[in-house]
Amino acid sequence: DQQVKQNSPSLSVQEGRISILNCDYTNSMFDYFLWYKKYPAEGPTFLISISSIKDKNEDGRFTVFLNKSAKHLSLHIVPSQPGDSAVYFCAASGLSGSARQLTFGSGTQLTVLP
Amino acid sequence: DAGVTQSPTHLIKTRGQQVTLRCSPISGHKSVSWYQQVLGQGPQFIFQYYEKEERGRGNFPDRFSARQFPNYSSELNVNALLLGDSALYLCASSFIGQSPGEKLFFGSGTQLSVL
Repeated sequence: DQQVKQNSPSLSVQEGRISILNCDYTNSMFDYFLWYKKYPAEGPTFLISISSIKDKNEDGRFTVFLNKSAKHLSLHIVPSQPGDSAVYFCAASGLSGSARQLTFGSGTQLTVLP
Repeated sequence: DAGVTQSPTHLIKTRGQQVTLRCSPISGHKSVSWYQQVLGQGPQFIFQYYEKEERGRGNFPDRFSARQFPNYSSELNVNALLLGDSALYLCASSFIGQSPGEKLFFGSGTQLSVL
């Protein structure tokens, strides 16, 4: 069973517009949520995170929103730039025994068109 | 400062063989985690090590094993390779690997192809 789901495999947005990437989760024990960006032939790089006790976190052009009651989070990128084109992974952080592990969604390929 | 380094970058093996993948964490990081990313899916947790001790493992068979050395580098071993083991293997490091908001820093991965 997928505990973290990204239902949109791909998203295309015009340069300068807003990109909204969505993520749903099922396990209410997750205590932190993170977004990672991945370019081809590179490992995922951290983008932004949010604690489960917050509902919003902002960092420059990137904002993450968390709706705990709906078990839903979203990443907003404003304005979108061509260099933002990458695969975006939503990840939920939780303890399994004494190990802290990330549970990832399947990713969304964002393409920002010039 | 160097990031997380993994070797080799690419590897081709045949079914039944054994493989060893290597990882050097960021200097000062004591925790190393391994993830498997199959094409079209997100990374999946395999192991976490801290101070040379295994802290946890994901839902992977005993053919998968790992260890961490005194210098905090790590090796992932996979025995009796199956076609389904073909994937990108990612190593990630962090300071202690237990804080809720602690970021994982990933290497570029080892692409393993099993023929």
